[in-house]
Amino acid sequence: AQTVTQSQPEMSVQEAETVTLSCTYDTSESNYYLFWYKQPPSRQMILVIRQEAYKQQNATENRFSVNFQKAAKSFSLKISDSQLGDTAMYFCAYEDSSGGGADGLTFGKGTHLIIQP
Amino acid sequence: EAGVAQSPRYKIIEKRQSVAFWCNPISGHATLYWYQQILGQGPKLLIQFQNNGVVDDSQLPKDRFSAERLKGVDSTLKIQPAKLEDSAVYLCASSLNGPTFFPETQYFGPGTRLLVL
Repeated sequence: AQTVTQSQPEMSVQEAETVTLSCTYDTSESNYYLFWYKQPPSRQMILVIRQEAYKQQNATENRFSVNFQKAAKSFSLKISDSQLGDTAMYFCAYEDSSGGGADGLTFGKGTHLIIQP
Repeated sequence: EAGVAQSPRYKIIEKRQSVAFWCNPISGHATLYWYQQILGQGPKLLIQFQNNGVVDDSQLPKDRFSAERLKGVDSTLKIQPAKLEDSAVYLCASSLNGPTFFPETQYFGPGTRLLVL
């Protein structure tokens, strides 16, 4: 079974700083997808960024980028120029695509990110 | 485009009582997921539907949990009888997923927060 580990329960940075959230995963599959989801306080979970395992290029979405190290099974999220609105729980998630079609997501325990003014 | 709708938003019951949650996915989304998110943890997949058929229910405690998706649209998740450890947020998500090999973004609803006393 796949597992996702987030070793940082909580992080706090000042506004405008850059922060990196760590995630490692374990799988025996070669085809899969990785995601970072954001869950603001009392609000619903939204997708921040996704990475296809077959792509060597790291995904970027505006201020959000990932460092995907397939051999090390590492998938970190970097947030540049952090903003107060980035305060949220961040979940790393894995989805197997080897069987074709959709599977459920396997989530880590999350990192509570606090952006200080 | 309307998002994933869930009701009720909050529910308090006593142990051994029954409870039901409702989810209306985004229009046209073929795949629907129910996740359980216990406080301090990441969501855990309970069941996945493709249209009105069950794709994966391996983590659903079938002695007390049941789910259905009539006509491939709305879905209900039921717990009967509830236990204290069922206290959690129950998240519904949907994705477009047609006949494709590529996992598509899952869109989450606001969740139903259940407290079992």
